[in-house]
Amino acid sequence: AQSVSQHNHHVILSEAASLELGCNYSYGGTVNLFWYVQYPGQHLQLLLKYFSGDPLVKGIKGFEAEFIKSKFSFNLRKPSVQWSDTAEYFCAVTPGGATNKLIFGTGTLLAVQP
Amino acid sequence: KAGVTQTPRYLIKTRGQQVTLSCSPISGHRSVSWYQQTPGQGLQFLFEYFSETQRNKGNFPGRFSGRQFSNSRSEMNVSTLELGDSALYLCASSVLGQGGEQYFGPGTRLTVT
Repeated sequence: AQSVSQHNHHVILSEAASLELGCNYSYGGTVNLFWYVQYPGQHLQLLLKYFSGDPLVKGIKGFEAEFIKSKFSFNLRKPSVQWSDTAEYFCAVTPGGATNKLIFGTGTLLAVQP
Repeated sequence: KAGVTQTPRYLIKTRGQQVTLSCSPISGHRSVSWYQQTPGQGLQFLFEYFSETQRNKGNFPGRFSGRQFSNSRSEMNVSTLELGDSALYLCASSVLGQGGEQYFGPGTRLTVT
């Protein structure tokens, strides 16, 4: 079955630290890849997406992610986190085909300490 | 453009009752998907509608159903509510027919007592 794994469930960082959140998916065909963020009390927002082309994609608020096809991975990175990055981060994929069905990872709760 | 709107935002129901939740997508978006979010199971896909047709259905019992109207607005219905149906129900819309980025609404918080 198609699935998405996020290995870090809870991450605590100090401001200015670097961030990398892991995401792996299991699907052999073409996929579109996404990272969504849910800030406290707010709804899910798209952080960045990968459809094709350059495997290094840049999103909002200084986030970037790298698609490594051979590793079925789409890790999220940020060089220097801020307190306002405290949120829950979800990796998601849509398997190939005529669908908008998103398969989500379990989420990573990031707490940034000032 | 206005975002995805969902009504009601909060709902309390009793076991055995039924409930209908509503979603209005972003203007011009023809695809609407529904998700259930719980602390234990995370975000799970319920179903997707495109041009009034259900294209995909997740692994939920038949008590969960939905429909889409000609103006792309969508409703989902849960009959014979169970305690385990307590969750945040999210609606998302997309302008593309497939694989596109989706925009989420604030959700409807359903509590079943």
